[in-house]
Amino acid sequence: KAGVTQTPRYLIKTRGQQVTLSCSPISGHRSVSWYQQTPGQGLQFLFEYFSETQRNKGNFPGRFSGRQFSNSRSEMNVSTLELGDSALYLCASSLGTNWNEQFFGPGTRLTVL
Amino acid sequence: QKEVEQNSGPLSVPEGAIASLNCTYSDRGSQSFFWYRQYSGKSPELIMFIYSNGDKEDGRFTAQLNKASQYVSLLIRDSQPSDSATYLCAVEKGYGKLTFGQGTILTVHP
Repeated sequence: KAGVTQTPRYLIKTRGQQVTLSCSPISGHRSVSWYQQTPGQGLQFLFEYFSETQRNKGNFPGRFSGRQFSNSRSEMNVSTLELGDSALYLCASSLGTNWNEQFFGPGTRLTVL
Repeated sequence: QKEVEQNSGPLSVPEGAIASLNCTYSDRGSQSFFWYRQYSGKSPELIMFIYSNGDKEDGRFTAQLNKASQYVSLLIRDSQPSDSATYLCAVEKGYGKLTFGQGTILTVHP
């Protein structure tokens, strides 16, 4: 079974720009969660989507948004990029029911200059 | 108090020894707990999950959960140099949300 895929793997942007990251979950998984990982803050939860609905959200500003499509693929968008947005962005997929294991994709490394 | 706390290490053990990694959590209502391994430059890889008090074994790995003490641990038996990585403890906090500790760096030396 294919794993979680994320595109692109690397991105370099400048301050003020916006960026869209994509995540394709494992076949049959309906939940996609997004995380930001930085050396200082570690892994932090951004939001979770299930059946095209956002069910949970972390403590990030409104510049961070996401959506999910009917095929469970998900995108996250960051507008008005700041230097501090440089991070590894990870998505994880799961079945979406209680106490499910989450499986992570390889991540997108975003650098903001 | 952080929601999930781990000793950052580094924890160094000789090859063949038992590595013991510990994690405490603050929310007594937490139900499910996960251990991930992350190699440098890679994404987290799920090792174990546990939601019942007691031990759960999978190969060389044993997860232990004590809800009364709000404590989760991971034991790695017969540690190998390939086990050298950062180990992340995570607690599920609602739909699709895992709250992670800062991770423990484990080094297994030959």
